[in-house]
Amino acid sequence: AQKITQTQPGMFVQEKEAVTLDCTYDTSDPSYGLFWYKQPSSGEMIFLIYQGSYDQQNATEGRYSLNFQKARKSANLVISASQLGDSAMYFCAMREGGLRTGTASKLTFGTGTRLQVTL
Amino acid sequence: DTEVTQTPKHLVMGMTNKKSLKCEQHMGHRAMYWYKQKAKKPPELMFVYSYEKLSINESVPSRFSPECPNSSLLNLHLHALQPEDSALYLCASSPEDGFNEKLFFGSGTQLSVL
Repeated sequence: AQKITQTQPGMFVQEKEAVTLDCTYDTSDPSYGLFWYKQPSSGEMIFLIYQGSYDQQNATEGRYSLNFQKARKSANLVISASQLGDSAMYFCAMREGGLRTGTASKLTFGTGTRLQVTL
Repeated sequence: DTEVTQTPKHLVMGMTNKKSLKCEQHMGHRAMYWYKQKAKKPPELMFVYSYEKLSINESVPSRFSPECPNSSLLNLHLHALQPEDSALYLCASSPEDGFNEKLFFGSGTQLSVL
């Protein structure tokens, strides 16, 4: 079963505008982490932002914020004031398990959204 | 040093060759990972090492053989690969193997199997 769903294969946004990239997830584990990564055409995976399942407030990192709606199991990424350099593939990912639970932990990725910033 | 270094950046090999991919980090991380990424697809987990012990093997074919000689180094030994194994191979590390730990990724090895 798909654990991470990104329904937008591609998105366009004008420079300086805000954009929201959607992500929904599925888990029965009360302890999990949600991550967003950016992958430019050069291939490296760049960490953007993290939200823990127990965090009460939405995460923010500079121009990136995460709209976390736990009951709806959604973790949308909001990029404010888009820049040309934001053009890339964006992956939502979830991590469950780990040392505290006694099971090994996996980071599982969604299918990604390709964002194109235009002038 | 906050980098994960992967070598080589590009590799072309024949189906009868034996080669190795190398990954190194000096951040003191105790969990290391190999991912495989096909073009236009998300990364797929292959192996997880935690404290130098293999903790996850995602049913990867035996022609891929991981090795973690010490806490800073992770290798992926390749033997008798198939053309469909051509992909970007990403190494990553995290401080611990926990659900709240972010992964630091290397820039990858682009592998072509002829």
